[in-house]
Amino acid sequence: QSVLTQPPSASGTPGQRVIISCSGSSSNIGSNSVHWYQHLPGTAPKLLIYSNNRRPSRVPDRFSGSKSGTSASLAISGLQSEDEADYYCSTWDDSLNGVVFGGGTKLTAL
Amino acid sequence: EVQLVESGGGLVKPGGSLRLSCAASGFTFNSPFSDAWMSWVRQAPGRGLEWVGRIRPIGGPTHYAAPVQGRFSISRDDSKNTVSLQMDSLKVDDTAVYYCTWVGVENWFASWGQGALVSVSS
Repeated sequence: QSVLTQPPSASGTPGQRVIISCSGSSSNIGSNSVHWYQHLPGTAPKLLIYSNNRRPSRVPDRFSGSKSGTSASLAISGLQSEDEADYYCSTWDDSLNGVVFGGGTKLTAL
Repeated sequence: EVQLVESGGGLVKPGGSLRLSCAASGFTFNSPFSDAWMSWVRQAPGRGLEWVGRIRPIGGPTHYAAPVQGRFSISRDDSKNTVSLQMDSLKVDDTAVYYCTWVGVENWFASWGQGALVSVSS
């Protein structure tokens, strides 16, 4: 069981806006920044969003992140087939004194 | 661009040991490897990502996840731009792809290696 809770799956049609949620507690999301990763099987994960809502320069602006209280979310607008991947949220946990991940969300473009 | 390349994966029996290495390149004069925080993250078959531990720039402490505390050890050689993961008393549950990562200021994983497969089986 992961410390951060994500829905196991999400889907949308091409062009649609999809939101993936990430729920935690006061010791992790409530007091630290949230980061998001995209992972295609057989490849290295890639940093998608860092510090809640900042994008590395190579990441399209279709991807955005937000955080409120003990929850965070990743929004993907204009869904494309190449966005099909597993998405993970992560943050530091002050009680565990380590990085924690969500269980991952498998995104499917219908 | 920072690039990370892991090596040393393989098949080992339960209770055995294995050492993974990660060679780093692409660090700059203004942002040298010796100032970099580095971490290992793993993914067991069919499971999600799991943080293993991290090492700070030289002189700082290391931190480990509870499942590997006391069995795994992370070290670094700044003269060779490498970081290593020594894994002892391996268990079947340690079977995973292990990724070397470069850690950002707020513990985000900015760069990832391609991964090294560790299989623990009798």
